[in-house]
Amino acid sequence: SQTIHQWPATLVQPVGSPLSLECTVEGTSNPNLYWYRQAAGRGLQLLFYSVGIGQISSEVPQNLSASRPQDRQFILSSKKLLLSDSGFYLCAWKRQGYFYGYTFGSGTRLTVV
Amino acid sequence: AQTVTQSQPEMSVQEAETVTLSCTYDTSESNYYLFWYKQPPSRQMILVIRQEAYKQQNATENRFSVNFQKAAKSFSLKISDSQLGDTAMYFCASPIGNMLTFGGGTRLMVKP
Repeated sequence: SQTIHQWPATLVQPVGSPLSLECTVEGTSNPNLYWYRQAAGRGLQLLFYSVGIGQISSEVPQNLSASRPQDRQFILSSKKLLLSDSGFYLCAWKRQGYFYGYTFGSGTRLTVV
Repeated sequence: AQTVTQSQPEMSVQEAETVTLSCTYDTSESNYYLFWYKQPPSRQMILVIRQEAYKQQNATENRFSVNFQKAAKSFSLKISDSQLGDTAMYFCASPIGNMLTFGGGTRLMVKP
């Protein structure tokens, strides 16, 4: 069976510090991978998605970047965090070519202080 | 732009009663799925139900069912026999190409 792991679960970082959030998927190959952000009490905003190694599409211009160094690994990064980067970050995956089956990780709560 | 709209920011229902959450969407896709996700206080996104747009029959999963009106681009979620554990944010979602687009969510409170 397929599983998705996301870590850390909680992170408190000072303004100006770097960020690295990691997401890995097990039990499948060549998945589509996604990073979403959710502000408190709000909906989900798609930040990045990837259809393959090294292929990243950005949906929202921001202080963040994403990378996919391996087939089942998706990393969200920032060189210098802003207060506005605080939020709940969710990683998700689905099978290539399928219309269903978006599965989410358990999320990372990021607080920038 | 292709959008998903949930017009009810908050709703409440008494335990054991039925509640319906509304969703409208706008897509140019010819074949697509629609989803309802539940986000409890743990914030884990849980798939509640999905509907294939080419199927006329409304999807049902235990106490959860949908009313899918393709021509009206409406996709509502009905929760029967509401339970306290149904208290959560509910998100309607529609894939657009490779991307899943979400509505703004409806916060549902089930009262004892």
